[in-house]
Amino acid sequence: DAGVTQSPTHLIKTRGQQVTLRCSPKSGHDTVSWYQQALGQGPQFIFQYYEEEERQRGNFPDRFSGHQFPNYSSELNVNALLLGDSALYLCASSLPGSTPPYEQYFGPGTRLTVT
Amino acid sequence: RKEVEQDPGPFNVPEGATVAFNCTYSNSASQSFFWYRQDCRKEPKLLMSVYSSGNEDGRFTAQLNRASQYISLLIRDSKLSDSATYLCVVATNAGKSTFGDGTTLTVKP
Repeated sequence: DAGVTQSPTHLIKTRGQQVTLRCSPKSGHDTVSWYQQALGQGPQFIFQYYEEEERQRGNFPDRFSGHQFPNYSSELNVNALLLGDSALYLCASSLPGSTPPYEQYFGPGTRLTVT
Repeated sequence: RKEVEQDPGPFNVPEGATVAFNCTYSNSASQSFFWYRQDCRKEPKLLMSVYSSGNEDGRFTAQLNRASQYISLLIRDSKLSDSATYLCVVATNAGKSTFGDGTTLTVKP
């Protein structure tokens, strides 16, 4: 049973560029959430996708956008990259979206460095 | 003030010790509660969900106090392998999860 997978594992971009990160959820999971984790901090919620729609959003600017595909995989897009966007980006999937308690399973993350 | 607050530590304890971590949250709409552990440069992994009646999983015990908006994690008989950062997480029924910044535990021989 494959867990959550993310690609790429590492990425180096230049300020002002755009980046797309990808995530495949754990088998049987239909809800995908994205988080940004800066060094020394807990993961910060970016947004959550369920049934191909953004269901919840954290306090992130519109430069951060996403998409969920019919197979439940998801992409995170970040435009006009800033140095402060350098972080570990985590994808988490969870059990059927209508049912708490939302136990989430994380992928290994994509480490983004903006220079 | 952060929505979820944890004592960052670090907690340095000898093997076999009992250690407790606390977490407070401010959103009274929170409905689900969890503890995750995160090893250095790795992804968070679910340690346990926290139920209103309290729950135990081996050496780990979690407690929830909704009135005080407080969650705790107790680790008994600490092992070297328990060294990690422990993250407190609260979630609303709408699906938004908020993480604390974590408490770092180092268990020493």
